Amino acid sequence: EAQVTQNPRYLITVTGKKLTVTCSQNMNHEYMSWYRQDPGLGLRQIYYSMNVEVTDKGDVPEGYKVSRKEKRNFPLILESPSPNQTSLYFCASSPTHVNEAFFGQGTRLTVV
Amino acid sequence: GENVEQHPSTLSVQEGDSAVIKCTYSDSASNYFPWYKQELGKGPQLIIDIRSNVGEKKDQRIAVTLNKTAKHFSLHITETQPEDSAVYFCAASRGATDSWGKLQFGAGTQVVVTP
Repeated sequence: EAQVTQNPRYLITVTGKKLTVTCSQNMNHEYMSWYRQDPGLGLRQIYYSMNVEVTDKGDVPEGYKVSRKEKRNFPLILESPSPNQTSLYFCASSPTHVNEAFFGQGTRLTVV
Repeated sequence: GENVEQHPSTLSVQEGDSAVIKCTYSDSASNYFPWYKQELGKGPQLIIDIRSNVGEKKDQRIAVTLNKTAKHFSLHITETQPEDSAVYFCAASRGATDSWGKLQFGAGTQVVVTP
């Protein structure tokens, strides 16, 4: 089954404790991206990757890091989480950025 | 950069009526305009998209229109049903004209269809 898998689905952490949210896709897509969803603000792009080892900042990259060492995986790293990073996070993949994007189920992160 | 505005933020319709959601964009180079539906507790799913070489596209009860001159595009849902209740997002991208293209989303519209 074609899918984008994020883990964990829910995470509560404390300020400053490094964390990684994993994202994996099994569709051999080149384009992957991370979004955060906040009430009234829609989906805002954090980082995106056009292919292996090719990443770029989206609209809200501050406080986040990504890596794309393999085509299927695109982890999101929060080196020192802060409460303003409490949000619902989505990973997505697509053949290119102008094709249908397939989203994961989301990761609800709370930073206290 | 691109800015996408979406209206209304909430829309309540009677079952069987039509629903219209409108989006405007700022970047005249944008040429790919998808619409996503997000049901409660799930990730967004593409329902329809349109590219700048067409003005209208239809898929059963869903249609999208694009006015490039005015830089706006709209989603039309006819004969609404309770299962159409969800959050709908519009988006815009420069597409193939910009190899580093981003996908810019609107803020979303909560649609509630009442029986």
